[in-house]
Amino acid sequence: AQSVAQPEDQVNVAEGNPLTVKCTYSVSGNPYLFWYVQYPNRGLQFLLKYITGDNLVKGSYGFEAEFNKSQTSFHLKKPSALVSDSALYFCAVRDRGSQGGKLIFGQGTELSVKP
Amino acid sequence: NAGVTQTPKFQVLKTGQSMTLQCAQDMNHEYMSWYRQDPGMGLRLIHYSVGAGITDQGEVPNGYNVSRSTTEDFPLRLLSAAPSQTSVYFCASSEQGAAGNTIYFGEGSWLTVV
Repeated sequence: AQSVAQPEDQVNVAEGNPLTVKCTYSVSGNPYLFWYVQYPNRGLQFLLKYITGDNLVKGSYGFEAEFNKSQTSFHLKKPSALVSDSALYFCAVRDRGSQGGKLIFGQGTELSVKP
Repeated sequence: NAGVTQTPKFQVLKTGQSMTLQCAQDMNHEYMSWYRQDPGMGLRLIHYSVGAGITDQGEVPNGYNVSRSTTEDFPLRLLSAAPSQTSVYFCASSEQGAAGNTIYFGEGSWLTVV
């Protein structure tokens, strides 16, 4: 069965420090991987995705993610956190055989950036 | 840019009532879907559609009905609301074709069933 795991419910970071939000996946074959961010009482905003090619993917708001096939991971990173990055982050996977917009989501990680 | 539009944003229902959550997209996307978000569980797929006239069940379809009469609209119907359906509902859409296409989400509908 396909699944996505975000092992940390919450990540706390000081402003200006680097941040990492972890994600591991389990799918058959090669996956498409996505990161979304949700601000309070808002919808999900797309950050970045891995389709193929370079394992380091750059996205919106200075975020990047590293695809590691051997470790089946797709961790989200940012070199210098901002207080405004505080939000709920979701990792999601879609297998290449799927259709219809079907994503499998992790449970989410609450990122808190303190001044 | 409207994107994916959901209404209502907030709704309180009594157990047993029925209602429809509306979703419309103006990007001419073939694929549309409905998810529910519950604490600690991420988002789970309720129903999806690959085009007008075609719908299918997702992971948690029970208690919900959908139809897709046009490309733009994909309403979600709660047939007889139950407290277990208290959740945040998100509609999403994407282009047809490659599974790597980005999926775009609406702003969400917060539903409370009392």
